[in-house]
Amino acid sequence: GAGVSQSPSNKVTEKGKDVELRCDPISGHTALYWYRQSLGQGLEFLIYFQGNSAPDKSGLPSDRFSAERTGGSVSTLTIQRTQQEDSAVYLCASSPTPTSGETQYFGPGTRLLVL
Amino acid sequence: SQQGEEDPQALSIQEGENATMNCSYKTSINNLQWYRQNSGRGLVHLILIRSNEREKHSGRLRVTLDTSKKSSSLLITASRAADTASYFCATGVAGNKLTFGGGTRVLVKP
Repeated sequence: GAGVSQSPSNKVTEKGKDVELRCDPISGHTALYWYRQSLGQGLEFLIYFQGNSAPDKSGLPSDRFSAERTGGSVSTLTIQRTQQEDSAVYLCASSPTPTSGETQYFGPGTRLLVL
Repeated sequence: SQQGEEDPQALSIQEGENATMNCSYKTSINNLQWYRQNSGRGLVHLILIRSNEREKHSGRLRVTLDTSKKSSSLLITASRAADTASYFCATGVAGNKLTFGGGTRVLVKP
């Protein structure tokens, strides 16, 4: 379909390893968001991209987390030196514009388990 | 950190009954949205209510907003087993990044 896709669906890694999570937004959507859902913290905003503007990184929990969006489309979220507390479902969403109130379309998420 | 809280945290009802859940938030908002999540995966947008609206309907869904109390409620009428899911309220702030409540887990028993 033409929805938001994420890969991998599930990722198991060892503590200390780096992981990359991928998000393919809906074609033509200029805004892309990453959220994290964990048992202890609920659903929390991580980072958002809008066109060519500098991303809003205000939600990233530490400097081990980074994200990029190439060509205004695909985005990768990288977690370096993973820790057990990074275990969570990482959700990506996109919207046609970043206008407040615009519906966000979510992908199925990547379930990350750090052993 | 989360913008607000939802209550109850969990709700179990019989098919055909109504389900009501509440959401409180802390700061001024432009709008408030409700999302549904099945099986801990992607969220699906249900309905949006703007700060100058008090009530909104969409099918079997009814949302109210009381900005003086900083609270919103979601009512699902004539519930079905397929309504079993977690429901989240979310407030939109600058740039449309969403701040979510803790969610209400709804179980509709057939």
